Amino acid sequence: EPEVTQTPSHQVTQMGQEVILRCVPISNHLYFYWYRQILGQKVEFLVSFYNNEISEKSEIFDDQFSVERPDGSNFTLKIRSTKLEDSAMYFCASSEDRGAGEQYFGPGTRLTVT
Amino acid sequence: AQSVTQPDIHITVSEGASLELRCNYSYGATPYLFWYVQSPGQGLQLLLKYFSGDTLVQGIKGFEAEFKRSQSSFNLRKPSVHWSDAAEYFCAVAKTGGFKTIFGAGTRLFVKA
Repeated sequence: EPEVTQTPSHQVTQMGQEVILRCVPISNHLYFYWYRQILGQKVEFLVSFYNNEISEKSEIFDDQFSVERPDGSNFTLKIRSTKLEDSAMYFCASSEDRGAGEQYFGPGTRLTVT
Repeated sequence: AQSVTQPDIHITVSEGASLELRCNYSYGATPYLFWYVQSPGQGLQLLLKYFSGDTLVQGIKGFEAEFKRSQSSFNLRKPSVHWSDAAEYFCAVAKTGGFKTIFGAGTRLFVKA
């Protein structure tokens, strides 16, 4: 069964550094998403991406964050100048359809900012 | 604005006993509704979803959920819990034609022998 993959599984970075989290969505999916889950808290929507542009973003997704689909298979989340409070599990998801489509989640990348 | 409430932070059931996890949502129209399960350190696995039609939906691992519009609820049930069901369960809602999924705070299920 096709699945969403994410690399790395765990990333440790120092405060102020930039990190790039990588995702490979399911190949025939057209919609891509990032969510985050701070330890012990609920999963929160960050951003959705379709047709090479952001289709929706939350208030969390400020100028510190950016997303990109650099090629036909990868989908990345860049966090500039990381802060301690960026420590969280980041989940990538993809779906074939908008809204009605089931979102398939990757295993997540645990980001630890020290 | 859409929201999801899972009133129970954690629940403990005995192995073999039945299970019901509660979920209430707030949304102006019929939403898309989901239940996900997350084992410790793992990603989110979809258990089942409701888009339209029959209000009782069957999912994987023997789970089912019933959509009740009048109560704005989408409770998850399982007739007989197994120890391997111990995990965190998230109810979620998505807007028709929208992009994002809104998650509840989760209910942690403990299973005792």
